[in-house]
Amino acid sequence: AQSVSQHNHHVILSEAASLELGCNYSYGGTVNLFWYVQYPGQHLQLLLKYFSGDPLVKGIKGFEAEFIKSKFSFNLRKPSVQWSDTAEYFCALRHGSGNTGKLIFGQGTTLQVKP
Amino acid sequence: EAGVAQSPRYKIIEKRQSVAFWCNPISGHATLYWYQQILGQGPKLLIQFQNNGVVDDSQLPKDRFSAERLKGVDSTLKIQPAKLEDSAVYLCASSVIAGWGETQYFGPGTRLLVL
Repeated sequence: AQSVSQHNHHVILSEAASLELGCNYSYGGTVNLFWYVQYPGQHLQLLLKYFSGDPLVKGIKGFEAEFIKSKFSFNLRKPSVQWSDTAEYFCALRHGSGNTGKLIFGQGTTLQVKP
Repeated sequence: EAGVAQSPRYKIIEKRQSVAFWCNPISGHATLYWYQQILGQGPKLLIQFQNNGVVDDSQLPKDRFSAERLKGVDSTLKIQPAKLEDSAVYLCASSVIAGWGETQYFGPGTRLLVL
């Protein structure tokens, strides 16, 4: 069965610190990978996505993620976080066969950035 | 562009009562999803529609949950009768296929509390 695992449940950083959130998945076939963010009181928003091609993908607000197929990983990074990055972050997978299909989410990582 | 709309935003009911949620997807999006997000977990698919047909309802508890999308646009999700464990946020998403694959866009969710 497909699954997504986010290792860090709660991360606390100071402003300007670098961020890396881990995401590993289990699925042997072609995958589409996503990072969504949920700011306090807001709905889930897409940060970035990987479908194919360059394994380093850049998203909004200075976030990037690297797809490493051999490690089944899709870690999210940001070189310097801001207080406004405080939010919950979800990694999600969709298997690549078919045009549409459900997203399988990790359990989420809560990021708290201290000013 | 207007996003995915959901109502109500909050609902409190007693167990064994019934409740219905409504979703209006982004205009032109043929695919619509309902997800359940229990506190501390990532969203999990309940049902996927393509236009007004069901594509995947394998994880929908059909003894108490039902959903419809009669005209291929708006959708309703109903729970009857509700149980305590149905307390969760119910998310609606609609999707577009562009470039290499599908991207899902989420509404604000309906937060349900069953007492």
